[in-house]
Amino acid sequence: QSALTQPPSASGSPGQSVTISCTGTSSDVGGYNYVSWYQQHPGKVPKLIIYEVNKRPSGVPDRFSGSKSGNTASLTVSGLQAEDEADYYCNSYAGSKIFVFGGGTKLTVL
Amino acid sequence: EVQLVESGGGLVQPGGSLRLCCSASGFIFSDYIMYWVRQAPGKGLEYISRIGLHGDGTHYADSVKGRITISRDNSKNTLYLQMSSLRAEDTAVYYCVKDSNNYYFDYWGQGTLVTVSS
Repeated sequence: QSALTQPPSASGSPGQSVTISCTGTSSDVGGYNYVSWYQQHPGKVPKLIIYEVNKRPSGVPDRFSGSKSGNTASLTVSGLQAEDEADYYCNSYAGSKIFVFGGGTKLTVL
Repeated sequence: EVQLVESGGGLVQPGGSLRLCCSASGFIFSDYIMYWVRQAPGKGLEYISRIGLHGDGTHYADSVKGRITISRDNSKNTLYLQMSSLRAEDTAVYYCVKDSNNYYFDYWGQGTLVTVSS
């Protein structure tokens, strides 16, 4: 399984919206509606923020939203806040209870 | 409260072996598929292995296949990762991760650092 493709970095000013893409293949992202996103602050454990493409766990602000088109999934962070500065990783189911991660995107709040 | 506590990490020489453990609590361990995910220093997350409910259904990423063995002891609520022929590129924080019984990971341990160096 090859890693999903994410941009290495993204940035935006407070209050703005930023979208992070995650591109895979028809064997993972395009084949299943099982894309999840994880937020990781420096030195911390990854935290689930989106699952099944566009669902938010309880406690995750609705500023975080997910979508998918074809082999590309996207995470949008609206109304950027300073605490959103972190690394974001997409993850997709790839069949047989196997998963593949994206390379990660460092989000900077300017 | 779900807790996953890894142990067993440390400094090991290239070619050496190490066994990681993950002690689970707060849920019925035998009801969930479990995973190991690692993160090299300054790098991204990498899925490396998965094990089914009863120790069957194991899977390994190509990067570690043949050098690691995942196992579990449901009577002890413990997940294991036996690593051998370790290389410098295996240096990473190794996370024990719980499956949600859907298609995402819902709980992560704090991780244990493995450093492969002479």
